[in-house]
Amino acid sequence: AQKVTQAQTEISVVEKEDVTLDCVYETRDTTYYLFWYKQPPSGELVFLIRRNSFDEQNEISGRYSWNFQKSTSSFNFTITASQVVDSAVYFCALKVSGSRLTFGEGTQLTVNP
Amino acid sequence: DTEVTQTPKHLVMGMTNKKSLKCEQHMGHRAMYWYKQKAKKPPELMFVYSYEKLSINESVPSRFSPECPNSSLLNLHLHALQPEDSALYLCASSDRDRDVTDTQYFGPGTRLTVL
Repeated sequence: AQKVTQAQTEISVVEKEDVTLDCVYETRDTTYYLFWYKQPPSGELVFLIRRNSFDEQNEISGRYSWNFQKSTSSFNFTITASQVVDSAVYFCALKVSGSRLTFGEGTQLTVNP
Repeated sequence: DTEVTQTPKHLVMGMTNKKSLKCEQHMGHRAMYWYKQKAKKPPELMFVYSYEKLSINESVPSRFSPECPNSSLLNLHLHALQPEDSALYLCASSDRDRDVTDTQYFGPGTRLTVL
């Protein structure tokens, strides 16, 4: 069985601060994919990134960066210089072959002006 | 711009009403999904259609009835709902369903309130 843990239920920061959202996963499969989705108050889940289990390179996209470490089963997400528009619920998810997408409980990020 | 659209955006219905939620995807995907999401919780999978055939039903009550008229459209027919069915209903689509590389893309959701 697969499991995703996002231990931070809520995080509140002030604009321009950097913030890291933690994600820890469990699976016995050696081939899997990890995802991050953003859900703003409007409700739509927006796909942010997909990373496979064989690629531990960190990824940067603008103010967003992701740190994947198999040794600690973690796939953390950092927002640099946060903005009010980053306020949302962020979900980490795990996919293995033949199985449904497994979501974490989500982290509510609030960025205050 | 989202390539998965859902209508209506909001729906209020009584327990005796019959209504339908609609979803359309414009990405040529072969799998479509219905999720239910309660406040402060992750989405919960309800149904999966693959190549227009129902492949997964997560023990959803029969008052929810999915329909996939073609590969681009997905409906969810609602009848005799309960107040606890009030939630955000999300539609998603993807290309390869069971494949480990599969990525789901979600629509904006329908906020359903059952009175």
